[in-house]
Amino acid sequence: KNEVEQSPQNLTAQEGEFITINCSYSVGISALHWLQQHPGGGIVSLFMLSSGKKKHGRLIATINIQEKHSSLHITASHPRDSAVYICAVNNDKIIFGKGTRLHILP
Amino acid sequence: KAGVTQTPRYLIKTRGQQVTLSCSPISGHRSVSWYQQTPGQGLQFLFEYFSETQRNKGNFPGRFSGRQFSNSRSEMNVSTLELGDSALYLCASSLLPSGVVGAQETQYFGPGTRLLVL
Repeated sequence: KNEVEQSPQNLTAQEGEFITINCSYSVGISALHWLQQHPGGGIVSLFMLSSGKKKHGRLIATINIQEKHSSLHITASHPRDSAVYICAVNNDKIIFGKGTRLHILP
Repeated sequence: KAGVTQTPRYLIKTRGQQVTLSCSPISGHRSVSWYQQTPGQGLQFLFEYFSETQRNKGNFPGRFSGRQFSNSRSEMNVSTLELGDSALYLCASSLLPSGVVGAQETQYFGPGTRLLVL
């Protein structure tokens, strides 16, 4: 069993829809990251959080330490949000989820 | 401030050869981590360097090695290349290393080096 599990693996939605991507982990962590990877490979760090909730523009990330679960939400989704979203946790070293491939249709 | 740079961006090698990849972190960042990304395995941690010392190493064979210089630039080397080493190799830099209690360091990723082994 992977130490970091993401769901769904793939997600297609219409422009404007509210998107939720989930991440569950089974190890103790000091922080959790949400990363965005566009075609071509470039990775951008969206959030790093160890408790509560963070918001940046249309993106919201939450984490529940007791339940070992985090969610990434995208409000008013747009085709430019199409990318792979990766959850990663700090556990002395960084462990990655397999990613969620998001496709927003215009 | 310039971002993380990696050279070369693309590389083609043949089995048995060795390769050296370079990563220049953001100015002032002393921690550099290396990752391998393949379609089958996704992103996997290779190693992390801080102040010229390797702090952590992932589950990769000894053919994979790295080092960090006094200016924080880092290199990784893969010897005796195998077809399965074909991947995107990413490095990321941060001020402090991961796992430091109380530290919440964002990692900044470079564009990656795409290695093809024939």
